[in-house]
Amino acid sequence: ELKVEQNPLFLSMQEGKNYTIYCNYSTTSDRLYWYRQDPGKSLESLFVLLSNGAVKQEGRLMASLDTKARLSTLHITAAVHDLSATYFCAVVPGAQKLVFGQGTRLTINP
Amino acid sequence: SAVISQKPSRDICQRGTSLTIQCQVDSQVTMMFWYRQQPGQSLTLIATANQGSEATYESGFVIDKFPISRPNLTFSTLTVSNMSPEDSSIYLCSAILQGNTEAFFGQGTRLTVV
Repeated sequence: ELKVEQNPLFLSMQEGKNYTIYCNYSTTSDRLYWYRQDPGKSLESLFVLLSNGAVKQEGRLMASLDTKARLSTLHITAAVHDLSATYFCAVVPGAQKLVFGQGTRLTINP
Repeated sequence: SAVISQKPSRDICQRGTSLTIQCQVDSQVTMMFWYRQQPGQSLTLIATANQGSEATYESGFVIDKFPISRPNLTFSTLTVSNMSPEDSSIYLCSAILQGNTEAFFGQGTRLTVV
């Protein structure tokens, strides 16, 4: 059974700090997605990682992918309150359908 | 990028009734999917909407409960049939565009069954 596990599930941090969210998955996947979801809203695409060693950055967020370890990370640099949201990773085990992790609820305190 | 329009955005329904959710994509699409997100939870795939043929359902979801249509490349509907309070969730449409690897999501339909 495919498992996509995010760690931590809840994260409360202070502005200005750095932190990393981890996404482990149990089967091969030809790509990995990161999404952001604000309360009551839909999913906003952050990154699509397509190959081993892929690294993408947008503002204070940086995502990386290690397909051999079946691990992706989402790193937050110098967090600001606006980054408070729930972050999901998702993998594609086949047939283009996405399988999501449990989500990481991130709260950034002033 | 793509714009995925879902409607209704929210509804409150009586148990035993059915609701049909519509999803329209403004670009050429290869794949369309329907997901459910229960309160405070992650997304679970209901089915892949196949153009002109029966949808492909995931384990735990059946056609009689969640009939899906996709009459053309850019439009799909999901019906939640014979609703019970346990069906209260957000239902999201997703699409992967031709020549693209990104999966885009509609704004979701927040369903409350009373």
